Amino acid sequence: QLQLQESGPGLVKPSETLSLNCSVSGDSITSRNFYWAWIRQPPGKGLEWIGCVFYSGTAHYLPSLKSRVTISLDTSTNQFSLSLTSVTAADTAVYYCARRPVGYATDVWGQGATVTVSS
Amino acid sequence: EIVLTQSPGTLSLSPGERATLSCRASQSVSSNYLAWYQQKPGQAPRLLIYGASSRANGIPDRISGSGSGTDFTLTISRLEPEDFAVYFCQQYGVSPWAFGQGTKVEI
Repeated sequence: QLQLQESGPGLVKPSETLSLNCSVSGDSITSRNFYWAWIRQPPGKGLEWIGCVFYSGTAHYLPSLKSRVTISLDTSTNQFSLSLTSVTAADTAVYYCARRPVGYATDVWGQGATVTVSS
Repeated sequence: EIVLTQSPGTLSLSPGERATLSCRASQSVSSNYLAWYQQKPGQAPRLLIYGASSRANGIPDRISGSGSGTDFTLTISRLEPEDFAVYFCQQYGVSPWAFGQGTKVEI
């Protein structure tokens, strides 16, 4: 049974870098069958796709965040990560990691990690 | 970028009634790669429909998806109490895999 679990600081100061990890159990992040994605949801608002990474390390990002975001794989720990620089209060959200099989929709989600940007 | 617009914003219905939710894309969705998700408070979204009309594992047949190109519909034929939630559509044909803004189905 595939499980995803987000981890990282729940509080980040403005202008600093938000870093989250997603631990994957039950599957390998090096599989050619999956994309690994980050999605966020500000309080009381809708879902925003941040980006994804493929087994090769190729990543795609939301254009409005592209200058600040990096998604990468850590094959030694079977985790993938999100880094978002120069954060502001607008980056306060629940951050979800998720899996999307190639040719299919995003089918497995982590439980979500709440990140607040505040001094 | 493809922009998805969902309507209505809120749907007020009673158990047993039919719910019809719309998702319109600003350009044609590649390979009908359009999904629908259900989200309840405090929970992660759950995949309902992929490929515009295929049900994900374990989804009851009262929930169905239809449409192609730029116009898609999620239909719940007879609302059960557990169906009252927020529903999002998402296109995953081209990056960025955008979501619609959501439709709340309330009692």
